[in-house]
Amino acid sequence: GESVGLHLPTLSVQEGDNSIINCAYSNSASDYFIWYKQESGKGPQFIIDIRSNMDKRQGQRVTVLLNKTVKHLSLQIAATQPGDSAVYFCAESFSGGYNKLIFGAGTRLAVHP
Amino acid sequence: GAVVSQHPSRVICKSGTSVKIECRSLDFQATTMFWYRQFPKQSLMLMATSNEGSKATYEQGVEKDKFLINHASLTLSTLTVTSAHPEDSSFYICSAKRPAGGPNSGANVLTFGAGSRLTVL
Repeated sequence: GESVGLHLPTLSVQEGDNSIINCAYSNSASDYFIWYKQESGKGPQFIIDIRSNMDKRQGQRVTVLLNKTVKHLSLQIAATQPGDSAVYFCAESFSGGYNKLIFGAGTRLAVHP
Repeated sequence: GAVVSQHPSRVICKSGTSVKIECRSLDFQATTMFWYRQFPKQSLMLMATSNEGSKATYEQGVEKDKFLINHASLTLSTLTVTSAHPEDSSFYICSAKRPAGGPNSGANVLTFGAGSRLTVL
């Protein structure tokens, strides 16, 4: 079913530290995953994606890890900056879903100077 | 490229009135658009899938007569909240599916709009 968060957990980090945001997805048939960043009052912004035939993918300052065995996804942000402060969502889809994305509960990242 | 525009960005209406929100793909044709609703401090909940030229597919629990979706062209989908009530107050976000192809077909083909905040008094 749909994943709806009643509360947004918050991860507080110091500027310059690495951040790790975790997500548990619900559908074992999901084969495509995306991390989004959402700033207050705005729509989701694409960060990085990964297909189920991979377990790791790196971008600029970000890395996504996928563990299909336990249906777990993580987003690592290196050298976290104040501009990284936002709410982060993972989203899952499967080939038969015509790119219909189901969003996870979200985590608020607060970066302190 | 791949810009999706939503209008209005904010709307305040009286209880019992209807409100229309537009979602436009500005530089590509979108055969499929998705509508999400987001309550404060919560995740995005998929409401419906809008397909150009056909009826929308609604997610379980979403009232199709309450949330009317029209996808009359390849660049425009509209969501009308009929007889709005305060509990309909929310952030409504659309996404549009870009034409896919090539080795990354299906990868990141969705572009999200900036959202429309509806407040029903």
